Amino acid sequence: NAGVTQTPKFQVLKTGQSMTLQCAQDMNHNSMYWYRQDPGMGLRLIYYSASEGTTDKGEVPNGYNVSRLNKREFSLRLESAAPSQTSVYFCASSESLAREDEQFFGPGTRLTVL
Amino acid sequence: GEDVEQSLFLSVREGDSSVINCTYTDSSSTYLYWYKQEPGAGLQLLTYIFSNMDMKQDQRLTVLLNKKDKHLSLRIADTQTGDSAIYFCAERGGSARQLTFGSGTQLTVLP
Repeated sequence: NAGVTQTPKFQVLKTGQSMTLQCAQDMNHNSMYWYRQDPGMGLRLIYYSASEGTTDKGEVPNGYNVSRLNKREFSLRLESAAPSQTSVYFCASSESLAREDEQFFGPGTRLTVL
Repeated sequence: GEDVEQSLFLSVREGDSSVINCTYTDSSSTYLYWYKQEPGAGLQLLTYIFSNMDMKQDQRLTVLLNKKDKHLSLRIADTQTGDSAIYFCAERGGSARQLTFGSGTQLTVLP
């Protein structure tokens, strides 16, 4: 039982390049999330997926797209990376969107955009 | 938007108690959470408190909630070096579908 896994762990991009961050969970959770964490700031929600087949914008969705490929996998795509997207990206999952359902976090992807 | 504030750093000696404080602005907050982040890892939920509670205790952890002042604290008794980490306060209020996180408090436990 691996929990939430993310690939890659580290990535360096040049401005304008594209890439997809992968996330998978093996807990049969319905809801999944993508956050970014910047120095001196808390996590901010980029996108979330309440259940398979649905996605919704979070607090900071601009410059990102997501795909809920199936119940297990939720990917985050940067179409044209910008230096402002340098951050640590965390994927999380939970049983549902209910407040009492714990969100389980992956180990993060550290992205640098030059 | 709603805001959650925490002090950035706290240092304590091993064996002492640590108290990490948090203030929030959303008066409709119904659930308040404490997460722990160890170096190079994701966040781990430590505990949460529902807004109709004043206190919650779980082994070495005590959470106090003052709804009037919108103040939340996490007390760690007998702090150990393994408690060194960043601690995030987060809240979720009303019909919000997302958590709002504070900036995190870096706890350093000195031997």
